[in-house]
Amino acid sequence: DADVTQTPRNRITKTGKRIMLECSQTKGHDRMYWYRQDPGLGLRLIYYSFDVKDINKGEISDGYSVSRQAQAKFSLSLESAIPNQTALYFCATNSGDTQYFGPGTRLTVL
Amino acid sequence: GENVEQHPSTLSVQEGDSAVIKCTYSDSASNYFPWYKQELGKRPQLIIDIRSNVGEKKDQRIAVTLNKTAKHFSLHITETQPEDSAVYFCAARAHLKKLTFGTGTRLTIIP
Repeated sequence: DADVTQTPRNRITKTGKRIMLECSQTKGHDRMYWYRQDPGLGLRLIYYSFDVKDINKGEISDGYSVSRQAQAKFSLSLESAIPNQTALYFCATNSGDTQYFGPGTRLTVL
Repeated sequence: GENVEQHPSTLSVQEGDSAVIKCTYSDSASNYFPWYKQELGKRPQLIIDIRSNVGEKKDQRIAVTLNKTAKHFSLHITETQPEDSAVYFCAARAHLKKLTFGTGTRLTIIP
Protein backbone atom coordinates (compact mmCIF):
# COMPACT_ATOMS: atom_id res chain seq x y z
CA ASP A 1 0.00 0.00 0.00
CA ALA A 2 0.98 3.64 -0.42
CA ASP A 3 1.39 4.31 3.31
CA VAL A 4 -1.99 5.93 3.65
CA THR A 5 -3.02 6.44 7.26
CA GLN A 6 -6.29 7.56 8.78
CA THR A 7 -7.13 8.86 12.25
CA PRO A 8 -9.13 8.02 14.21
CA ARG A 9 -9.82 4.39 13.29
CA ASN A 10 -13.05 4.31 15.24
CA ARG A 11 -15.23 7.13 16.54
CA ILE A 12 -18.57 7.29 18.28
CA THR A 13 -20.20 10.68 18.49
CA LYS A 14 -23.57 12.31 19.08
CA THR A 15 -25.96 14.04 16.72
CA GLY A 16 -25.00 17.67 16.12
CA LYS A 17 -21.33 17.31 16.98
CA ARG A 18 -18.58 18.46 14.62
CA ILE A 19 -16.22 15.68 13.62
CA MET A 20 -12.95 15.70 11.68
CA LEU A 21 -11.40 12.66 10.05
CA GLU A 22 -7.79 12.95 9.01
CA CYS A 23 -5.82 11.31 6.24
CA SER A 24 -2.08 11.39 5.59
CA GLN A 25 0.08 9.79 2.92
CA THR A 26 3.84 9.55 2.63
CA LYS A 27 4.23 8.77 -1.06
CA GLY A 28 3.97 12.26 -2.49
CA HIS A 29 0.79 11.52 -4.48
CA ASP A 30 -1.07 14.54 -5.79
CA ARG A 31 -4.53 13.01 -5.90
CA MET A 32 -6.50 12.28 -2.74
CA TYR A 33 -10.07 11.11 -2.20
CA TRP A 34 -12.66 10.54 0.51
CA TYR A 35 -15.16 7.71 0.11
CA ARG A 36 -18.01 6.46 2.19
CA GLN A 37 -18.89 2.74 2.32
CA ASP A 38 -22.33 1.49 3.28
CA PRO A 39 -23.54 -2.12 2.97
CA GLY A 40 -24.96 -2.77 -0.49
CA LEU A 41 -24.01 0.67 -1.78
CA GLY A 42 -20.36 0.19 -2.57
CA LEU A 43 -17.85 3.03 -2.35
CA ARG A 44 -19.34 6.45 -2.93
CA LEU A 45 -17.15 9.49 -3.52
CA ILE A 46 -17.59 12.41 -1.12
CA TYR A 47 -14.80 14.81 -2.18
CA TYR A 48 -11.59 14.64 -4.16
CA SER A 49 -8.53 16.77 -4.69
CA PHE A 50 -6.10 16.61 -7.60
CA ASP A 51 -3.63 18.99 -5.94
CA VAL A 52 -3.42 21.35 -2.95
CA LYS A 53 -5.40 24.12 -4.67
CA ASP A 54 -7.96 21.84 -6.28
CA ILE A 55 -11.04 20.60 -4.34
CA ASN A 56 -14.01 18.94 -6.03
CA LYS A 57 -17.34 17.65 -4.83
CA GLY A 58 -18.16 14.01 -5.35
CA GLU A 59 -21.56 12.40 -5.65
CA ILE A 60 -22.52 12.72 -1.96
CA SER A 61 -20.87 15.91 -0.65
CA ASP A 62 -23.88 17.36 1.22
CA GLY A 63 -23.19 17.56 4.96
CA TYR A 64 -19.43 17.22 4.48
CA SER A 65 -16.50 19.57 3.91
CA VAL A 66 -12.80 18.98 3.27
CA SER A 67 -9.47 20.69 3.68
CA ARG A 68 -6.25 19.94 1.80
CA GLN A 69 -3.71 21.32 4.25
CA ALA A 70 -0.71 20.04 2.32
CA GLN A 71 0.06 17.59 -0.44
CA ALA A 72 0.20 14.83 2.16
CA LYS A 73 -2.89 15.71 4.22
CA PHE A 74 -6.58 15.69 3.35
CA SER A 75 -9.18 16.08 6.11
CA LEU A 76 -12.90 15.39 6.03
CA SER A 77 -15.27 17.26 8.34
CA LEU A 78 -18.86 16.63 9.32
CA GLU A 79 -20.09 20.03 10.45
CA SER A 80 -23.10 18.72 12.34
CA ALA A 81 -23.17 14.93 12.43
CA ILE A 82 -26.43 13.06 11.90
CA PRO A 83 -27.20 9.34 12.39
CA ASN A 84 -27.37 8.55 8.66
CA GLN A 85 -23.71 9.55 8.39
CA THR A 86 -22.88 6.40 10.33
CA ALA A 87 -20.61 4.52 7.92
CA LEU A 88 -17.11 3.34 7.12
CA TYR A 89 -15.00 6.14 5.64
CA PHE A 90 -11.98 5.55 3.42
CA CYS A 91 -9.31 7.94 2.27
CA ALA A 92 -7.45 7.06 -0.93
CA THR A 93 -4.56 8.34 -3.03
CA ASN A 94 -3.46 7.77 -6.62
CA SER A 95 -0.20 6.71 -8.10
CA GLY A 96 -0.75 6.70 -11.84
CA ASP A 97 -3.86 4.59 -12.36
CA THR A 98 -3.63 2.61 -9.14
CA GLN A 99 -5.68 3.89 -6.22
CA TYR A 100 -4.47 3.03 -2.71
CA PHE A 101 -6.84 3.06 0.22
CA GLY A 102 -6.25 3.89 3.85
CA PRO A 103 -7.36 1.48 6.59
CA GLY A 104 -10.71 3.18 7.10
CA THR A 105 -12.48 5.04 9.90
CA ARG A 106 -15.62 3.52 11.36
CA LEU A 107 -17.88 6.39 12.43
CA THR A 108 -21.02 5.93 14.51
CA VAL A 109 -23.37 8.85 15.07
CA LEU A 110 -25.86 8.30 17.89
CA GLY B 1 -21.57 11.07 -15.29
CA GLU B 2 -20.40 7.48 -15.26
CA ASN B 3 -22.70 4.76 -13.90
CA VAL B 4 -21.36 1.30 -13.07
CA GLU B 5 -23.67 -1.62 -12.38
CA GLN B 6 -22.36 -4.85 -10.84
CA HIS B 7 -23.95 -8.31 -10.63
CA PRO B 8 -24.54 -10.46 -8.72
CA SER B 9 -24.57 -8.82 -5.30
CA THR B 10 -23.83 -12.16 -3.63
CA LEU B 11 -22.27 -15.32 -5.04
CA SER B 12 -21.58 -18.68 -3.41
CA VAL B 13 -19.26 -21.09 -5.15
CA GLN B 14 -17.98 -24.55 -4.25
CA GLU B 15 -14.27 -24.62 -3.59
CA GLY B 16 -12.43 -25.48 -6.79
CA ASP B 17 -15.17 -24.16 -9.07
CA SER B 18 -15.04 -20.90 -11.04
CA ALA B 19 -16.64 -17.58 -10.15
CA VAL B 20 -17.69 -14.83 -12.56
CA ILE B 21 -18.67 -11.27 -11.64
CA LYS B 22 -20.03 -8.90 -14.27
CA CYS B 23 -20.10 -5.11 -14.58
CA THR B 24 -21.53 -2.68 -17.10
CA TYR B 25 -20.61 0.97 -17.54
CA SER B 26 -22.33 3.89 -19.22
CA ASP B 27 -19.59 6.34 -20.31
CA SER B 28 -18.09 5.33 -23.64
CA ALA B 29 -15.06 7.50 -22.81
CA SER B 30 -14.08 5.20 -19.93
CA ASN B 31 -10.77 3.53 -20.65
CA TYR B 32 -9.55 2.06 -17.36
CA PHE B 33 -11.27 -0.75 -15.46
CA PRO B 34 -9.82 -1.98 -12.14
CA TRP B 35 -11.06 -4.66 -9.80
CA TYR B 36 -10.63 -4.39 -6.04
CA LYS B 37 -10.86 -7.08 -3.37
CA GLN B 38 -11.91 -6.22 0.16
CA GLU B 39 -11.47 -8.85 2.83
CA LEU B 40 -13.51 -8.63 6.00
CA GLY B 41 -12.42 -5.65 8.09
CA LYS B 42 -9.75 -4.62 5.60
CA ARG B 43 -9.26 -1.91 3.02
CA PRO B 44 -10.00 -2.49 -0.71
CA GLN B 45 -6.92 -3.55 -2.64
CA LEU B 46 -6.33 -3.67 -6.38
CA ILE B 47 -6.14 -7.21 -7.72
CA ILE B 48 -6.21 -6.68 -11.49
CA ASP B 49 -6.98 -3.97 -14.01
CA ILE B 50 -7.50 -3.66 -17.75
CA ARG B 51 -7.30 -0.80 -20.21
CA SER B 52 -9.55 -0.25 -23.19
CA ASN B 53 -6.90 -1.21 -25.74
CA VAL B 54 -6.88 -4.79 -24.38
CA GLY B 55 -9.65 -7.39 -24.51
CA GLU B 56 -8.41 -9.77 -21.84
CA LYS B 57 -5.81 -9.91 -19.09
CA LYS B 58 -4.78 -12.80 -16.86
CA ASP B 59 -2.85 -13.07 -13.62
CA GLN B 60 -2.61 -16.65 -12.37
CA ARG B 61 -6.15 -17.71 -11.37
CA ILE B 62 -7.68 -14.30 -12.06
CA ALA B 63 -8.69 -12.90 -15.43
CA VAL B 64 -10.61 -9.88 -16.64
CA THR B 65 -12.36 -9.52 -19.99
CA LEU B 66 -13.60 -6.30 -21.60
CA ASN B 67 -16.21 -5.82 -24.31
CA LYS B 68 -16.08 -2.14 -25.31
CA THR B 69 -18.91 -2.41 -27.79
CA ALA B 70 -21.30 -3.75 -25.19
CA LYS B 71 -19.70 -1.67 -22.40
CA HIS B 72 -19.24 -4.54 -20.05
CA PHE B 73 -16.34 -6.22 -18.30
CA SER B 74 -16.08 -9.31 -16.14
CA LEU B 75 -13.85 -10.83 -13.46
CA HIS B 76 -13.17 -14.55 -13.67
CA ILE B 77 -11.66 -16.52 -10.80
CA THR B 78 -10.75 -20.14 -11.51
CA GLU B 79 -10.01 -22.96 -9.06
CA THR B 80 -11.46 -20.94 -6.21
CA GLN B 81 -9.97 -21.25 -2.74
CA PRO B 82 -11.28 -20.26 0.72
CA GLU B 83 -9.04 -17.17 0.73
CA ASP B 84 -10.93 -15.87 -2.32
CA SER B 85 -13.91 -15.19 -0.03
CA ALA B 86 -14.28 -11.39 0.05
CA VAL B 87 -16.21 -8.48 -1.42
CA TYR B 88 -15.15 -7.59 -4.96
CA PHE B 89 -15.66 -4.16 -6.52
CA CYS B 90 -15.39 -3.22 -10.16
CA ALA B 91 -14.75 0.37 -11.23
CA ALA B 92 -14.47 2.47 -14.38
CA ARG B 93 -12.69 5.72 -15.22
CA ALA B 94 -12.29 7.99 -18.20
CA HIS B 95 -8.97 9.74 -18.70
CA LEU B 96 -8.13 12.28 -15.94
CA LYS B 97 -11.46 11.67 -14.27
CA LYS B 98 -12.41 9.94 -11.03
CA LEU B 99 -13.14 6.28 -10.48
CA THR B 100 -16.77 5.20 -10.27
CA PHE B 101 -17.30 1.97 -8.33
CA GLY B 102 -19.89 -0.75 -8.64
CA THR B 103 -21.91 -1.73 -5.58
CA GLY B 104 -19.84 -4.84 -4.84
CA THR B 105 -20.21 -8.63 -4.92
CA ARG B 106 -19.86 -10.69 -1.78
CA LEU B 107 -18.17 -13.93 -2.85
CA THR B 108 -18.33 -16.91 -0.50
CA ILE B 109 -16.28 -20.04 -1.21
CA ILE B 110 -17.90 -23.14 0.24
CA PRO B 111 -15.35 -25.73 1.45
